[in-house]
Amino acid sequence: DQQVKQNSPSLSVQEGRISILNCDYTNSMFDYFLWYKKYPAEGPTFLISISSIKDKNEDGRFTVFLNKSAKHLSLHIVPSQPGDSAVYFCAASENNAGNMLTFGGGTRLMVKP
Amino acid sequence: NAGVTQTPKFQVLKTGQSMTLQCAQDMNHNSMYWYRQDPGMGLRLIYYSASEGTTDKGEVPNGYNVSRLNKREFSLRLESAAPSQTSVYFCASSEQGVSYEQYFGPGTRLTVT
Repeated sequence: DQQVKQNSPSLSVQEGRISILNCDYTNSMFDYFLWYKKYPAEGPTFLISISSIKDKNEDGRFTVFLNKSAKHLSLHIVPSQPGDSAVYFCAASENNAGNMLTFGGGTRLMVKP
Repeated sequence: NAGVTQTPKFQVLKTGQSMTLQCAQDMNHNSMYWYRQDPGMGLRLIYYSASEGTTDKGEVPNGYNVSRLNKREFSLRLESAAPSQTSVYFCASSEQGVSYEQYFGPGTRLTVT
């Protein structure tokens, strides 16, 4: 059973609008969450992270929100740009599990010019 | 700085054949990882090495072996390939500690017929 789920396999957004990517998790021991971005034929690259002691982390156009009670996190991209078109993976980690990450299945974001 | 490099980029094997996927990093990272990516499944951890001289199983280790040759290199071996091992394989490295981002290689696309 997947412990980290991204229920939307794809999302299409107009350039300049907000993109919201969602992620749900079931393991209450997860306490560190990350988002990775992946272009075709490349490896994933780190985008933004959040610790469970926070409920929001912002980096430029990217903001991650964490709702621990709902076991839900979301990534907001504002404004969306065509170069943001990629597959986005959320990942989670337990503090006492070393560097082991559990990834969601990914959401393909398409930003239309 | 090449980052994380993987060889080969593509490989086709027949069922029962063996092969080794090579990975090297030049960032002096202690931890290295092997993942496989399958459609809709995200990235799943096969094996990881928290530091030179140690290796541990991840989520899907069956059918694979690994060797941490030195601090730079971490190889993944398929002793007897099966069609279920058709996937894209990613190697990654990071500093030790959950808050450190993982840096990924470009991937190896493996097809087992």
